[in-house]
Amino acid sequence: EDQVTQSPEALRLQEGESSSLNCSYTVSGLRGLFWYRQDPGKGPEFLFTLYSAGEEKEKERLKATLTKKESFLHITAPKPEDSATYLCAVQAGANAGGTSYGKLTFGQGTILTVHP
Amino acid sequence: NAGVTQTPKFQVLKTGQSMTLQCAQDMNHNSMYWYRQDPGMGLRLIYYSASEGTTDKGEVPNGYNVSRLNKREFSLRLESAAPSQTSVYFCASSELYLGNEQFFGPGTRLTVL
Repeated sequence: EDQVTQSPEALRLQEGESSSLNCSYTVSGLRGLFWYRQDPGKGPEFLFTLYSAGEEKEKERLKATLTKKESFLHITAPKPEDSATYLCAVQAGANAGGTSYGKLTFGQGTILTVHP
Repeated sequence: NAGVTQTPKFQVLKTGQSMTLQCAQDMNHNSMYWYRQDPGMGLRLIYYSASEGTTDKGEVPNGYNVSRLNKREFSLRLESAAPSQTSVYFCASSELYLGNEQFFGPGTRLTVL
């Protein structure tokens, strides 16, 4: 069974204090790993897709990296507007077979609060 | 370009009542999805439609039915609502079923009394 575990559950930072969020996963044949941002009362907003170990992607103050077992979302010099819940999800590939093929499995998210 | 839209935004039902949640996307995506999000449980897939004309069960399909009305629209029906179906429901779409990011709607907050 595919599993995604995100840590920490909650993270409080001061503005400008860089840190990382972790997403550990087990999946049958990773097809893609997705990072989303979710603001309170809204739907998840897509950030990044990573397809293979060693891949990195950046957007403003965010940088996502991928290994064979986990992904990190690095936040450099965060601002209060970066406060949100960050969700990680994995998609099983063709060798997953059966009912897992193509399905997204989400982690429970990390609630990030950045204080001014 | 509105992306993914959902109606209604909020709904309160009594146990046993039925209702349909509507979802539409204007991105010409082939695949559409329905999720529910509960505290401590994360997002869980209810049903999905990999392409127009097909629908399949996700992780938690019991108590729900879906209809892919056309390429743009994908509805979720609760035939006889139960308190356990109190949740926030999200519709999403993606260009293709595999490998593509999913784009989410704003959600419907449903309470079943």
